Amino acid sequence: EAQVTQNPRYLITVTGKKLTVTCSQNMNHEYMSWYRQDPGLGLRQIYYSMNVEVTDKGDVPEGYKVSRKEKRNFPLILESPSPNQTSLYFCASRTSGTYEQYFGPGTRLTVT
Amino acid sequence: AQRVTQPEKLLSVFKGAPVELKCNYSYSGSPELFWYVQYSRQRLQLLLRHISRESIKGFTADLNKGETSFHLKKPFAQEEDSAMYYCATSGSARQLTFGSGTQLTVLP
Repeated sequence: EAQVTQNPRYLITVTGKKLTVTCSQNMNHEYMSWYRQDPGLGLRQIYYSMNVEVTDKGDVPEGYKVSRKEKRNFPLILESPSPNQTSLYFCASRTSGTYEQYFGPGTRLTVT
Repeated sequence: AQRVTQPEKLLSVFKGAPVELKCNYSYSGSPELFWYVQYSRQRLQLLLRHISRESIKGFTADLNKGETSFHLKKPFAQEEDSAMYYCATSGSARQLTFGSGTQLTVLP
């Protein structure tokens, strides 16, 4: 089954404790993105990747890092999480020939 | 930079009533427009795109370049249509820009 998976689905952590949210897709998609979803603000892009070893900042990249060492994986790294990063995070992927994005199930992160 | 505006954060209609979710965009090129839907506790999924001119689950959306709008319409709303709806547009760097979303509630 074609899908985008994220882990963990739920995470509660404390300020400053490094964490990684994994994202994996099995559709051989070139493009992958990370978004955060906040009430009243909708979906905002954090980072995106157009292919292996090619990443770029989205609209709200501060406080986040990404890497794309393999085509199927696109982890989101929070080196020193802060409470304002409490949010619902979505990973998405798409092929280069279309704008249709396939979204993961979301990761709800709480930073205390 | 491209921008997508969804003026209504919340919209409630009664079952069987027509519904229109508004979307306006700003982009100087020839954008592609999309509507994504997120049902409760589910992931976002593509509802429809303007280039396909299709009707999905009774919803349609017409691109009006003069008004830079891409409103989503359905003549008779159903309770199962209750969801968060996002309008999105393509833009520079071949990325999607999403609006802030409209939470639609269809009342019985």
